[in-house]
Amino acid sequence: DGGITQSPKYLFRKEGQNVTLSCEQNLNHDAMYWYRQDPGQGLRLIYYSQIVNDFQKGDIAEGYSVSREKKESFPLTVTSAQKNPTAFYLCASSIDPSGYTFGSGTRLTVV
Amino acid sequence: KQEVTQIPAALSVPEGENLVLNCSFTDSAIYNLQWFRQDPGKGLTSLLLIQSSQREQTSGRLNASLDKSSGRSTLYIAASQPGDSATYLCAEFSGNTGKLIFGQGTTLQVKP
Repeated sequence: DGGITQSPKYLFRKEGQNVTLSCEQNLNHDAMYWYRQDPGQGLRLIYYSQIVNDFQKGDIAEGYSVSREKKESFPLTVTSAQKNPTAFYLCASSIDPSGYTFGSGTRLTVV
Repeated sequence: KQEVTQIPAALSVPEGENLVLNCSFTDSAIYNLQWFRQDPGKGLTSLLLIQSSQREQTSGRLNASLDKSSGRSTLYIAASQPGDSATYLCAEFSGNTGKLIFGQGTTLQVKP
C-alpha cells in the first residue's frame, strides 16, 4: 500500500538537543511538507519541498531545518534554537494541489 | 494575509442528528477547499475536496459546499453516528501563495 510513514511516533528531547523526525513516502509525489500542530490550533507550515534538492521556508521555519536528498524522504530536524518545540508534527505529500496525503504524526515533548 | 476560520470550536450532538460545520476564508484567489478528519493523536484523513469551479461535493453521508462570493464552505453530516466523533479541519489552497491554509478545526462529539 502506498502512503507516508512518520517515525518515531513519540519523541522526547532534552534541553539543548537536536532531534530529527523521519518522513518517508512511496506515493511518487514530488511535493512534501512539514506542519506543526498545537492544541486548539490548526496546522502551521514549517517547510516544504516541491522537488528534490530544493526546499522553501514556511510560516514558522525558525529553529527548524530540512533536507530533500531523495524524492521519498523529507526529514525535519528540530534544533536547540527552537525554544518551544513541544507539539504534534505532521508530514504530508502531494502530486498537485488537488490531493494531500498525511502521515500519522510524531509527538515531540521536551523533558 | 489569508485566514481560515472555523466556528464553532466544539460541538456536541445526540446520535442521529443532522449537523453543519462552518468554514470561512478570506482568500479571493482560492484554488480549492478541502475538508479533513482528524482522530485524537492521529494524522489527517481527506474527506472531500471542492475545486473553485465547483459548488459542492458529496461522499456518503457527507456533503460539502463552497460559496466563493461569500467566502464560506459548509460540511453537512447527515444522520450523525458516534463514530463521526473527531476534529474536522477545513483548508483552502491559495492560488496566490501555493499553500494550504488551515482553520483551527471543529471538535465534534456525537453522543449515543
